Amino acid sequence: DAGVIQSPRHEVTEMGQEVTLRCKLISGHNSLFWYRQTMMRGLELLIYFNNNVPIDDSGMPEDRFSAKMPNASFSTLKIQPSEPRDSAVYFCASSLWGGREPQHFGDGTRLSIL
Amino acid sequence: DQQVKQNSPSLSVQEGRISILNCDYTNSMFDYFLWYKKYPAEGPTFLISISSIKDKNEDGRFTVFLNKSAKHLSLHIVPSQPGDSAVYFCAAVTNAGKSTFGDGTTLTVKP
Repeated sequence: DAGVIQSPRHEVTEMGQEVTLRCKLISGHNSLFWYRQTMMRGLELLIYFNNNVPIDDSGMPEDRFSAKMPNASFSTLKIQPSEPRDSAVYFCASSLWGGREPQHFGDGTRLSIL
Repeated sequence: DQQVKQNSPSLSVQEGRISILNCDYTNSMFDYFLWYKKYPAEGPTFLISISSIKDKNEDGRFTVFLNKSAKHLSLHIVPSQPGDSAVYFCAAVTNAGKSTFGDGTTLTVKP
């Protein structure tokens, strides 16, 4: 079984550019989570979806961040415009349903904004 | 305000001995708890979970204990193996399904 697939694995771009991170869920999973990991703040939940509907986006840091699920198996996290403080590892995870079910994480996207 | 705390950034134990990783939480709305293990350059992987209606859950070498009155949980690994060396995260979930992770404890198991 394919796990959660994130792309790209690494992204280096200049500040002000638009960044799009992609995530493919495990087939049959109905919940999708986006996290950001930094040294200062640890692993933070940014947003999560159930059945393609955003349930809690209180962790999204600013309006520069947006996340979508155009279909049941795919999600994007977009940062526009990007800033150096957005540099972090971004993980997505999926679960059968909600946070109580074990979340299956992708291997992350390491984002560097210069 | 950090709602889930893992106060030990690192732990080192000898192979074959017990590893005990601790986690404290402050939010009474948390009613489900999970432990994840993370290797470098990989995403976290699920280890074991416990509901707030239980005080212990065991799966092979891994046991999680929950003390609700103290708002404390611990993960016991026995016997510890070198392959257990990783970063361990505890996560707490509210009844609305929102997860909060601790900062992690780096476990090193020495052969």
